[in-house]
Amino acid sequence: EAQVTQNPRYLITVTGKKLTVTCSQNMNHEYMSWYRQDPGLGLRQIYYSMNVEVTDKGDVPEGYKVSRKEKRNFPLILESPSPNQTSLYFCASTFRQGAYEQYFGPGTRLTVT
Amino acid sequence: KNQVEQSPQSLIILEGKNCTLQCNYTVSPFSNLRWYKQDTGRGPVSLTIMTFSENTKSNGRYTATLDADTKQSSLHITASQLSDSASYICVVRELSNFGNEKLTFGTGTRLTIIP
Repeated sequence: EAQVTQNPRYLITVTGKKLTVTCSQNMNHEYMSWYRQDPGLGLRQIYYSMNVEVTDKGDVPEGYKVSRKEKRNFPLILESPSPNQTSLYFCASTFRQGAYEQYFGPGTRLTVT
Repeated sequence: KNQVEQSPQSLIILEGKNCTLQCNYTVSPFSNLRWYKQDTGRGPVSLTIMTFSENTKSNGRYTATLDADTKQSSLHITASQLSDSASYICVVRELSNFGNEKLTFGTGTRLTIIP
């Protein structure tokens, strides 16, 4: 089954404790993104990757890091989480840019206290 | 600044009734427009993708329209079912030959179907 998986689905952590949210896709997609979704706001892109070892900032990259060492995996790293990073996070992948369907993961709900 | 505005913000209708959701955008240059369905706490799921030359596109009981001249789109749901209760998000892609897949997301219309 074609899918994007994320782990963990729920996470409560404390300020400053480094964490990683994993994302994996099994569709051999080139393009992957991370988004955050906050109440009253549309999804906002954090980082994206056009292929292995090619990553760049989206609209709200501050406080986040990513890596793309393998085509299928695109982890999101919070080196020193803060309460304003409490949000619902989605990983997404698409074959490549253009009019291709974008597949979203199930989401990771992060709470930073 | 590119924007996507959706209306209404929320809508409650009876099961079996039809409804239409609206999307206005200012994204330019335009590449394509997408409608997604997002169940509470889940990831968005694609319903349709419409390019500049497409005026209407259907996916089962969902029919999307696009007027690229007025920069408006609508999503019509026919014979609504309880499972249609969700948020519907309009997303517009900016035309780009390289670089980021620049998408602008609307804030969604929250649709509730009541029996």
